[in-house]
Amino acid sequence: DQQVKQNSPSLSVQEGRISILNCDYTNSMFDYFLWYKKYPAEGPTFLISISSIKDKNEDGRFTVFLNKSAKHLSLHIVPSQPGDSAVYFCAASEEGGSEKLVFGKGTKLTVNP
Amino acid sequence: DVKVTQSSRYLVKRTGEKVFLECVQDMDHENMFWYRQDPGLGLRLIYFSYDVKMKEKGDIPEGYSVSREKKERFSLILESASTNQTSMYLCASSLRQGYVTNEKLFFGSGTQLSVL
Repeated sequence: DQQVKQNSPSLSVQEGRISILNCDYTNSMFDYFLWYKKYPAEGPTFLISISSIKDKNEDGRFTVFLNKSAKHLSLHIVPSQPGDSAVYFCAASEEGGSEKLVFGKGTKLTVNP
Repeated sequence: DVKVTQSSRYLVKRTGEKVFLECVQDMDHENMFWYRQDPGLGLRLIYFSYDVKMKEKGDIPEGYSVSREKKERFSLILESASTNQTSMYLCASSLRQGYVTNEKLFFGSGTQLSVL
């Protein structure tokens, strides 16, 4: 059973517009969430994270929102740039720190010039 | 910056061969991981290690084993490669502070393994 779900396999956005990538989770024990970005033929790189004690975390053009009651988080990229085109993975870990991150299946973002 | 190095970018092996994938990290991280990435399936954890000579099964350990003889090195072994093990293999490491793991993983560039 998938504990972290990214229901959109792909997303296409115009340069300069907002990209919104969504992630849902089922495990109420998750309390730390991360987004990773992956270019083809490279390993994923950490992008941004949020703890369950917050509902928003911002880093430059990237903002992650967490809605605990809905078990939903989203990554906003504003403004989107062609270099943001990549696969984005949502990941979650349980309370107290865990060696095991649970990843979603990823969303492929394409930003068109 | 943390560097996680995987020994090969591309490997082609035959069914039944024993395959070794090597990973080295240079930041003295306690935790090391092996994932595989397949289209439509995301990242799936094969094995992880939180200390030298320690290992834990991940979600899909069948057909794989691991070795961690030194802190900086974590090897993934396919005892008898099969075509369904054709995949992108990703090694990662993370820091552990006391009993708490820092969930921020640092990944290598991956090894694309093809089993014919």
